[in-house]
Amino acid sequence: EPEVTQTPSHQVTQMGQEVILRCVPISNHLYFYWYRQILGQKVEFLVSFYNNEISEKSEIFDDQFSVERPDGSNFTLKIRSTKLEDSAMYFCARGGLTTGELFFGEGSRLTVL
Amino acid sequence: KQEVTQIPAALSVPEGENLVLNCSFTDSAIYNLQWFRQDPGKGLTSLLLIQSSQREQTSGRLNASLDKSSGRSTLYIAASQPGDSATYLCAVRRDTGFQKLVFGTGTRLLVSP
Repeated sequence: EPEVTQTPSHQVTQMGQEVILRCVPISNHLYFYWYRQILGQKVEFLVSFYNNEISEKSEIFDDQFSVERPDGSNFTLKIRSTKLEDSAMYFCARGGLTTGELFFGEGSRLTVL
Repeated sequence: KQEVTQIPAALSVPEGENLVLNCSFTDSAIYNLQWFRQDPGKGLTSLLLIQSSQREQTSGRLNASLDKSSGRSTLYIAASQPGDSATYLCAVRRDTGFQKLVFGTGTRLLVSP
């Protein structure tokens, strides 16, 4: 059973459209992360989210990206105006409470046409 | 800036062989190191977590070692099976709490029957 559930598993969108990717943790945790993996490249950190606030973000996470946890359960990544280079697999992860181990979801594949 | 390198990039072995995957990192000031497995088009499955104070961790046929001072970790897989075929990623965490993971490029393993 995955530690986090991500939806959608695959989304195809037109360039310039807004996309929302969702992550639902199985149990209640405070630490969440978004990573992405462009095909054939390394897994890259986007943003970390702790206690309902962004705690760290990478240079990739510019103004077109935002994260929130609107209902205390779902954790979302919004891309406001998608570009071709946003095509990637986006992974949500949660942090272990005591060990610092990260547990990843199955990912959401985003294809921007 | 932390850089993580994995060697070899790809490895093909016959079933039953013992094998070693290598991971090196440039900044030895790490909090922990985590090994993941990734099947094609799928998410990341955590295999082993080694804290910076530990030398090794074992889980079944997997053994991971850590030499923090030299910036190296190895993942040893005993008696390989075709089901072990996947990409193996190592990732290091710089600091405590909710700091990001820096990933290597991975080793693509193929175990043939």
